[in-house]
Amino acid sequence: GAVVSQHPSWVICKSGTSVKIECRSLDFQATTMFWYRQFPKQSLMLMATSNEGSKATYEQGVEKDKFLINHASLTLSTLTVTSAHPEDSSFYICSRHAPGQGFNSPLHFGNGTRLTVT
Amino acid sequence: QQQVKQSPQSLIVQKGGISIINCAYENTAFDYFPWYQQFPGKGPALLIAIRPDVSEKKEGRFTISFNKSAKQFSLHIMDSQPGDSATYFCAASELYNQGGKLIFGQGTELSVKP
Repeated sequence: GAVVSQHPSWVICKSGTSVKIECRSLDFQATTMFWYRQFPKQSLMLMATSNEGSKATYEQGVEKDKFLINHASLTLSTLTVTSAHPEDSSFYICSRHAPGQGFNSPLHFGNGTRLTVT
Repeated sequence: QQQVKQSPQSLIVQKGGISIINCAYENTAFDYFPWYQQFPGKGPALLIAIRPDVSEKKEGRFTISFNKSAKQFSLHIMDSQPGDSATYFCAASELYNQGGKLIFGQGTELSVKP
């Protein structure tokens, strides 16, 4: 079964509003989680690394004030898209390493959240 | 800068045939090379992965071939089945220096015809 759960699986919002996406590690505590964005027919682009108890690390070109990441507990990371615009419409996917080997282990991905901004 | 280049962009294979997808990387510090399979509307799922200390790894119908000197690696799907139709992504990471961040290739849309 799924070990990384995302909610919601899809969401439609109006331009200018904010949307929160949750990512849960179901089977173990994850100190680090990753957020990716995928536009249709394109690759996955890393947005940021979510660190439990500290600030997220954002990739170059990703606006940290627009994409707020909170890793408040060892099993939950949230991504909030603030003041959403149509160009933010995308597939957002979170991931975390498999348990037991830290960074030396595969990444497991959630099933993604399809965001549509009208 | 595209650190991982993947080809072809799309691939059509007959059932029972061999599907071959290629990737090339630039960063010699990469030390972990996984392949992911993604179905529409789903997150990617790990298929198989390889470290640079081996030249080939096989799991069932899936084989990774790795050429360290050429900085290339490829995925071979033997006896391709219609159920294999999906988008495949190669990826690479520096496990210890970059915290395991994966850099993905552009993806290959595979269609296996019955």
